[in-house]
Amino acid sequence: VVLTQSPLSLPVTLGQPASISCRSSQSLVYSDGRTFLHWFHQRPGQSPRRLIYQVSNRDSGVPDRFRGSGSGTDFTLKISRVEAEDVGVYYCMQGTHWPNTFGQGTKLEI
Amino acid sequence: EMHLVESGGGFVQPGGSLRLSCAASGFTFSRHTMIWVRQAPGKGLEWVSGIGLGGSGATYADSVKGRVTISRDDSKSTLYLQMDSLRAEDTAIYYCATDSNWEPNCWGLGTLVTVSS
Repeated sequence: VVLTQSPLSLPVTLGQPASISCRSSQSLVYSDGRTFLHWFHQRPGQSPRRLIYQVSNRDSGVPDRFRGSGSGTDFTLKISRVEAEDVGVYYCMQGTHWPNTFGQGTKLEI
Repeated sequence: EMHLVESGGGFVQPGGSLRLSCAASGFTFSRHTMIWVRQAPGKGLEWVSGIGLGGSGATYADSVKGRVTISRDDSKSTLYLQMDSLRAEDTAIYYCATDSNWEPNCWGLGTLVTVSS
């Protein structure tokens, strides 16, 4: 399964919204009806951290300015108001099909 | 608190072997599907391998299939990745993590593997 993210580079202004798209080459709906599409954030020199799991569920401690949405093959991560700590690279990842796969990454910079 | 600590990385010549380990603590390791993910220098994340409960369902990315073996020892709460016939393109930081489909999700800090002559 190929995940295609866009844009690959995302310059943003503090306080402004940002949006990242992730498109899959196959449906990510599992046989039980759930959709295993997740979003990760990685700061330079750090391990990835999951922000959103199963399309729209925020992980513990993730600010509510992060919102995931989508279905089937098209998914979006939105940040309502970008803060300085949001810089880094964002990856979508699918866990529906094994082997799992990641998107190419979107670099968000202020 | 969940913790994963990778070890076993290092410098190896092309064609050589390494065995990575990932020690888990703070959670019931045997109840979690586990994965290995790698990141080449300056590149994105690449899912390498995953293993289910009790060692079932070991799966590999095409890029490592036939050269890598994932295993686990639930009695030691440890995940392993045996890597053989290493190539320059295997140079990367290798992370272990719990299966991303469920919560909570935990990643280690990674261990660096460098393949070079």
